[in-house]
Amino acid sequence: DAGVTQSPTHLIKTRGQQVTLRCSPKSGHDTVSWYQQALGQGPQFIFQYYEEEERQRGNFPDRFSGHQFPNYSSELNVNALLLGDSALYLCASSLLQGTGELFFGEGSRLTVL
Amino acid sequence: AQSVTQPDIHITVSEGASLELRCNYSYGATPYLFWYVQSPGQGLQLLLKYFSGDTLVQGIKGFEAEFKRSQSSFNLRKPSVHWSDAAEYFCAVGPWTGYSSASKIIFGSGTRLSIRP
Repeated sequence: DAGVTQSPTHLIKTRGQQVTLRCSPKSGHDTVSWYQQALGQGPQFIFQYYEEEERQRGNFPDRFSGHQFPNYSSELNVNALLLGDSALYLCASSLLQGTGELFFGEGSRLTVL
Repeated sequence: AQSVTQPDIHITVSEGASLELRCNYSYGATPYLFWYVQSPGQGLQLLLKYFSGDTLVQGIKGFEAEFKRSQSSFNLRKPSVHWSDAAEYFCAVGPWTGYSSASKIIFGSGTRLSIRP
């Protein structure tokens, strides 16, 4: 049973560019949440998707957007990258009607130069 | 406001010694509490969770945690640590609605655990 997979694992961008990160949830899961983890910090909630709609959103600007596909996979897009966007981006999947446990991927490490 | 506080940024313990990592939360509703562990360069793995019932919960890898509502705490403990326990530990809180809590989960800033040989 495949767990949560994320791609790419590492990437380098320059300021002003745009990036797309991808996530495949654990088999059977229907909900995807995205978190940003800056170096030395805890994960910060970006948003959550269920049934292809954004259900909840954290305190992140509109430069951060997402999408969920019919197969439950998800993308995180960040436009107009800033140096401060450098972080580990974690995808977590779960069941909406479940125990609430989040299953995390290993993350995508984004470096903005 | 919802928040999680882990007051210890870094803790070093000797291998074989006992461990307690502190976590305090602020949450308006009935909380759903978690402890996650993150090894370097890895994602987060769930150690244990609590939402109701016995306030002492057992998790994987020999960890346990005790929920104390009066103190708004959910401290993680292990009787005897192993070198492989060196990692970052995160306490987290989310809403418990009774049947589903797949919702916004808030994490603390983490405690880095080092093991002294």
